[in-house]
Amino acid sequence: NAGVMQNPRHLVRRRGQEARLRCSPMKGHSHVYWYRQLPEEGLKFMVYLQKENIIDESGMPKERFSAEFPKEGPSILRIQQVVRGDSAAYFCASSTMSGASYNEQFFGPGTRLTVL
Amino acid sequence: TQLLEQSPQFLSIQEGENLTVYCNSSSVFSSLQWYRQEPGEGPVLLVTVVTGGEVKKLKRLTFQFGDARKDSSLHITAAQTGDTGLYLCAGTFGNEKLTFGTGTRLTIIP
Repeated sequence: NAGVMQNPRHLVRRRGQEARLRCSPMKGHSHVYWYRQLPEEGLKFMVYLQKENIIDESGMPKERFSAEFPKEGPSILRIQQVVRGDSAAYFCASSTMSGASYNEQFFGPGTRLTVL
Repeated sequence: TQLLEQSPQFLSIQEGENLTVYCNSSSVFSSLQWYRQEPGEGPVLLVTVVTGGEVKKLKRLTFQFGDARKDSSLHITAAQTGDTGLYLCAGTFGNEKLTFGTGTRLTIIP
């Protein structure tokens, strides 16, 4: 049973380019979360999505960042016009359900974005 | 805004010794997870606790959730070099997003 898959594992972009990060959740999981880990900092929540819906985007920067989880295919985190401060590890997690007494999130290996 | 503090921040001990690391919150958890993260990898879920006073064991690891659900501890018995890593606590507070602690970086010396 494959775990959460993310690609690419490493991504290098020049300032002003676009970055697209992909996440395929675990089989049977319909909830996806994106987190960012800046150098020497902890993991910070960015956005929570279900199929075709953004549920909570309270952690997303207001500009240049967007996320989607289409009916078919992986979830995409898109960063437009990247700047050096976007350099970080981006992790995707998935879970089976919400509304339960607790929610276990399983993480992918991450995409390490470097902006030159 | 919830704050999760972990202590100690760094811990180096000899193989075979016991250790305990702590996670404290300014707010009551809905649920709390412990993860371990290796360099260059994503966090791996170790355990989830939800009930105040709950104790869970995973081989040599014992996880305890405080009665008031604002703190937790992870105790490792007879540490091994394979236990080396970054230990993260993370909690939910009435919604789905995880708030992560600052982490304890554990090094087991052979």
